[in-house]
Amino acid sequence: KNEVEQSPQNLTAQEGEFITINCSYSVGISALHWLQQHPGGGIVSLFMLSSGKKKHGRLIATINIQEKHSSLHITASHPRDSAVYICAVRDYGGSQGNLIFGKGTKLSVKP
Amino acid sequence: EAGVTQFPSHSVIEKGQTVTLRCDPISGHDNLYWYRRVMGKEIKFLLHFVKESKQDESGMPNNRFLAERTGGTYSTLKVQPAELEDSGVYFCASSLGTSGGPDTQYFGPGTRLTVL
Repeated sequence: KNEVEQSPQNLTAQEGEFITINCSYSVGISALHWLQQHPGGGIVSLFMLSSGKKKHGRLIATINIQEKHSSLHITASHPRDSAVYICAVRDYGGSQGNLIFGKGTKLSVKP
Repeated sequence: EAGVTQFPSHSVIEKGQTVTLRCDPISGHDNLYWYRRVMGKEIKFLLHFVKESKQDESGMPNNRFLAERTGGTYSTLKVQPAELEDSGVYFCASSLGTSGGPDTQYFGPGTRLTVL
């Protein structure tokens, strides 16, 4: 069974800083998701990727299949980026919904 | 377009009671998922419906949990009888998913269940 590790667990940054959150997993996957959970609790899907890189606004997600590693980058961070960022993977051959989640990285961006 | 909705947003019950959580997926989404996050732990998968059929229920913790999706629209998750360790936030998600491949999931706001 896949094990998903995220680092760091907690991250405090100053507004404008470039932020990187890392996710590593132990077994081959068919897809990796990056999710954002705001203090109110709602979860938003940011990216789903199986190779390469995706960009949306100030967010960039990359994945290295050989190294079993993904990163989420935030450029020009802003206090509204403060949230818990969660990595989740779908095992290769696993069912579509059976995602395995990391514990999340709590990001706080100070003005 | 309305997102995934869940009801209730909070529920506080006593050990031994029954609680039913409801999830309304995005209209037209065949796939519906239930997840749970207990305090201090990561989110865990419970089960996955495709229309009204259970595609994967390997994450259901025990037979006190019963999920249904009659007619392939909304879903309910019943916990009977509830135990203290069932406390947590229950999330529902839905996705369009026509090919069976990886699919973007849209999450509901969650139901916070507290069992006293």
